Amino acid sequence: DGGITQSPKYLFRKEGQNVTLSCEQNLNHDAMYWYRQDPGQGLRLIYYSQIVNDFQKGDIAEGYSVSREKKESFPLTVTSAQKNPTAFYLCASTIRGTEAFFGQGTRLTVV
Amino acid sequence: AQSVTQLDSQVPVFEEAPVELRCNYSSSVSVYLFWYVQYPNQGLQLLLKYLSGSTLVESINGFEAEFNKSQTSFHLRKPSVHISDTAEYFCAVSDFFGNEKLTFGTGTRLTIIP
Repeated sequence: DGGITQSPKYLFRKEGQNVTLSCEQNLNHDAMYWYRQDPGQGLRLIYYSQIVNDFQKGDIAEGYSVSREKKESFPLTVTSAQKNPTAFYLCASTIRGTEAFFGQGTRLTVV
Repeated sequence: AQSVTQLDSQVPVFEEAPVELRCNYSSSVSVYLFWYVQYPNQGLQLLLKYLSGSTLVESINGFEAEFNKSQTSFHLRKPSVHISDTAEYFCAVSDFFGNEKLTFGTGTRLTIIP
């Protein structure tokens, strides 16, 4: 079945640690996105990529990094510079902006 | 730049009553419009979309939305809600002139009261 797979579903981070969230898609979509969701704030765009080896900052990119070495994969690293990383992270992909397909999300908690 | 406003953060509705979830957008270019639904601890699922053509679009589970260009709105309606409609609903907009960036509203939590 085609779709987007995010892993892990739950992730715990210690203070000062970097962690990487995985996002893989087999939909052959060019564009991929990372969103952060906090209660009452909707979805805020962290990074997006419209093509392999290219990506752009979204509205809240500070403290995050991404790579796009393959069309299918768009991992997100939450660095120690992100002071409030506890949130629900959603990965999505689209084909020419007509419809976004989402993964099931990763819930990151700082312990 | 584009933006989406969902004025109601929470909407309680009695079962079998009608509901309208409001969405207004702002954009300097033509847009695509979407409604997504999110159940607890899950990703978002597309409910319906407006790309072009008829301004009234419908979903398979009884929701409909109407694109109103003059009022820059895309309100979501259902004539009779069910308990299973309890979820969070997000309106979104994308600019189809080369920039595929999706912008979301802050969401409306729909609670159905038995």
